[in-house]
Amino acid sequence: SQQGEEDPQALSIQEGENATMNCSYKTSINNLQWYRQNSGRGLVHLILIRSNEREKHSGRLRVTLDTSKKSSSLLITASRAADTASYFCATLHIPPGETSGSRLTFGEGTQLTVNP
Amino acid sequence: DTEVTQTPKHLVMGMTNKKSLKCEQHMGHRAMYWYKQKAKKPPELMFVYSYEKLSINESVPSRFSPECPNSSLLNLHLHALQPEDSALYLCASSLPQTPLTPYEQYFGPGTRLTVT
Repeated sequence: SQQGEEDPQALSIQEGENATMNCSYKTSINNLQWYRQNSGRGLVHLILIRSNEREKHSGRLRVTLDTSKKSSSLLITASRAADTASYFCATLHIPPGETSGSRLTFGEGTQLTVNP
Repeated sequence: DTEVTQTPKHLVMGMTNKKSLKCEQHMGHRAMYWYKQKAKKPPELMFVYSYEKLSINESVPSRFSPECPNSSLLNLHLHALQPEDSALYLCASSLPQTPLTPYEQYFGPGTRLTVT
């Protein structure tokens, strides 16, 4: 079952503008991750933020996490046409003592279109 | 080598056929995953293997049968599928997760499955 909701569902901007996507979740988490998916292809990991972190940067990406509001945002600065893709947040909850593979739960995704 | 490969890229099968999807990685990851993704929806976890043992089965119908012959390979055997099983099937791998050592998942490009 999906626990994440993303907002907006679709976003269309011009090259050079910033794009902000939001994600909300319902349960406690160990970390939150953002992935990008180009049309019909595999997912590419963008950034991981742990539950005890509030903000993280990677190149043109900035992620914030507010565990009190159970929400996260992804900011892409100076967007490029190549950033056109679907963006998913995914939450990970690992029960204490659990050492098996992890269960990532994905949000519904935001379709970003960057127009040249 | 940070690549997860999947074969075939596309597969069309009838409801009485038996086919298999294959996934391979050489990153030394001991956790491997199968996801199912319908169009315009997020990936949904199907199975997780940890150290070649099945650790999570998300109540997947028995017409899907996973297999992990060794630490680099993951198969998904398909039999008597239904048209609604048509989807993109994604394989992923990661280092073993613990609450203190979260890791991202690496995804393959997927197999586009059509059941006729």
